[in-house]
Amino acid sequence: DTAVSQTPKYLVTQMGNDKSIKCEQNLGHDTMYWYKQDSKKFLKIMFSYNNKELIINETVPNRFSPKSPDKAHLNLHINSLELGDSAVYFCASSPNRGHRLNTEAFFGQGTRLTVV
Amino acid sequence: KNEVEQSPQNLTAQEGEFITINCSYSVGISALHWLQQHPGGGIVSLFMLSSGKKKHGRLIATINIQEKHSSLHITASHPRDSAVYICAVRGGADGLTFGKGTHLIIQP
Repeated sequence: DTAVSQTPKYLVTQMGNDKSIKCEQNLGHDTMYWYKQDSKKFLKIMFSYNNKELIINETVPNRFSPKSPDKAHLNLHINSLELGDSAVYFCASSPNRGHRLNTEAFFGQGTRLTVV
Repeated sequence: KNEVEQSPQNLTAQEGEFITINCSYSVGISALHWLQQHPGGGIVSLFMLSSGKKKHGRLIATINIQEKHSSLHITASHPRDSAVYICAVRGGADGLTFGKGTHLIIQP
């Protein structure tokens, strides 16, 4: 069983569309994240949720809206897609909220979003 | 905000060579991760360190908290070790701050 799974793996869409990327973890973790990897392969955190509560929102345009229906799921919805949104988006989870405990991070396989 | 610097950015070596990748960061942390990203794109966590040294197979990771520095070593390198190796730190915030990665190519 895949620990952290994202769907879809590839997403090609036109500018202006609205799209969602889904993420599910079956590890029983409390905290989930979305990271963006740009064309230069640089990873940067976008959002962090702990038990369905938003913890981090790192200067991400408000066209990006994370939604956590339960602590096993953290979906990423993107409105009015722009060319610059093209990137690989990684979901990840960890057992506990970061800085108090040293915990492993488990990553999904990534979603390659291409906006044309 | 933590600055994470990795070196080298690119490294090409021959099979069997001993490989060292370095990572330094600017602000105290609670943990440091070494990640591996293969050409297929998936990210795998290799190590999480808060002190000392860890070993897994041919991979060794060390961290010096006082000097804010970590190294990842690969012994008896093999072409299948070719990947991007990413250092990431966890500090006061919950998420990870990443280095820009080291692109490693091991030639047969």
